[in-house]
Amino acid sequence: GQQVMQIPQYQHVQEGEDFTTYCNSSTTLSNIQWYKQRPGGHPVFLIQLVKSGEVKKQKRLTFQFGEAKKNSSLHITATQTTDVGTYFCAGPRGGGSNYKLTFGKGTLLTVNP
Amino acid sequence: ETGVTQTPRHLVMGMTNKKSLKCEQHLGHNAMYWYKQSAKKPLELMFVYSLEERVENNSVPSRFSPECPNSSHLFLHLHTLQPEDSALYLCASSQDIGTGVRAFFGQGTRLTVV
Repeated sequence: GQQVMQIPQYQHVQEGEDFTTYCNSSTTLSNIQWYKQRPGGHPVFLIQLVKSGEVKKQKRLTFQFGEAKKNSSLHITATQTTDVGTYFCAGPRGGGSNYKLTFGKGTLLTVNP
Repeated sequence: ETGVTQTPRHLVMGMTNKKSLKCEQHLGHNAMYWYKQSAKKPLELMFVYSLEERVENNSVPSRFSPECPNSSHLFLHLHTLQPEDSALYLCASSQDIGTGVRAFFGQGTRLTVV
């Protein structure tokens, strides 16, 4: 079945450095979603990408969807301590009543002030 | 505040106990979900309900029993659990099931089985 793989599993950066996490799917995705989970918190929706090659920005965060719609990335410019958390990508699997949102294992970002 | 409320936030139970987790959503959504989040594992989808009808049972052991009395409420009944069932149990809702819908998560119940 479809799997959504995320790398790296962990990333530690100094405050001000950039950060990127990558998401790869074994099958073409109709869309991809990104979520953030702060330590001790719950996943919170960040964004959804739908179109091939789509790029969306949210302040210091840049999200990309690959041309083949099998991979995606999240890039954070000049990290801050508030960026700490686990970033998950999620892709749909199945359709209609068989629809499932399949999550990657996530990338845990820690930021050293 | 996500509009999805879970109680209790923390639960410690013995292997012979019976307990229930509760989830309530105030968003008018038609679909609700139970996810299990264990350390170093992806979020695991357990159950999906659409308009109070179960549409997905993702090979979950029978010691976990869901109940959806209406589209706003979802329960997870627990009995004779094992220590390996200790995890964060997350409830989520979405407008409907289908491609492109986003999930709204509750804050979760941290379950410890002793």
